[in-house]
Amino acid sequence: NAGVTQTPKFRILKIGQSMTLQCTQDMNHNYMYWYRQDPGMGLKLIYYSVGAGITDKGEVPNGYNVSRSTTEDFPLRLELAAPPQTSVYFCASSYSTLGGVYNEQFFGPGTRLTVL
Amino acid sequence: DQQVKQNSPSLSVQEGRISILNCDYTNSMFDYFLWYKKYPAEGPTFLISISSIKDKNEDGRFTVFLNKSAKHLSLHIVPSQPGDSAVYFCAASAIQGAQKLVFGQGTRLTINP
Repeated sequence: NAGVTQTPKFRILKIGQSMTLQCTQDMNHNYMYWYRQDPGMGLKLIYYSVGAGITDKGEVPNGYNVSRSTTEDFPLRLELAAPPQTSVYFCASSYSTLGGVYNEQFFGPGTRLTVL
Repeated sequence: DQQVKQNSPSLSVQEGRISILNCDYTNSMFDYFLWYKKYPAEGPTFLISISSIKDKNEDGRFTVFLNKSAKHLSLHIVPSQPGDSAVYFCAASAIQGAQKLVFGQGTRLTINP
C-alpha cells in the first residue's frame, strides 16, 4: 500500500493563478481531510469528506474548493491564489464506522505551495 | 481562540532520560486525543492516542496521560533516543463532527547524545 499520496510536492504560483492539489489514498478509507500548516503553527482543517459525494467546510475554507467523486481521491482546488495561501498542505484519511470507533488519521507527505 | 495549546515550543533532553511533552485543551466536547510526530519535509505520523474514558495509554516507550478535570494531557517517552528528535503535535477531536482534528502548535524535541 502506498498510503496517502499527494502531488505535486512543490509549487510556486503567481497571484491570481489557480491550481489543484491532488490527493489519493489506497486504504479504502471513507473519511478524507485537507489541512494547512503555516510556519510555527499547528495544522488547521480546510475541508473534509465523510464519503464520496459528501464534503463540508473546516476551520479555514475561504479561497478553497473540494470535490469527492470517488472513495480514493480528494482534490483541493485553489482559485485566485493569494500570498496568504502560502503554506504546506497535508491530505489525510481515516476509517470510521457508524458506531463511532476512533481511528487515527494517516497523512500524506504534503505539498509546499508558495504564492508570489 | 486556541482550543489546543502546547506551551513549550522546544524541549531538549539527554539521551536515555525521560522526555515529557505537555498539552492543554479548552473544549469539553473533545473526547479523543492523539500525538503525532513530524520530521522535516514529511507528513505527521501517528504515535499514540487515548480516549476520554481512560487516563493512561501505553505503547512501548510511549505513554500518554490524560487528566480530564485539568483538561491536560502529556506524552512521556522513556528512554529517549536520538531518533525521537522531531516536532510533536498534540491533537484532539470529538466523535460528533467527523473526527475533525484540532492541533496544537507543536513542540520541537531534541535528544542530545
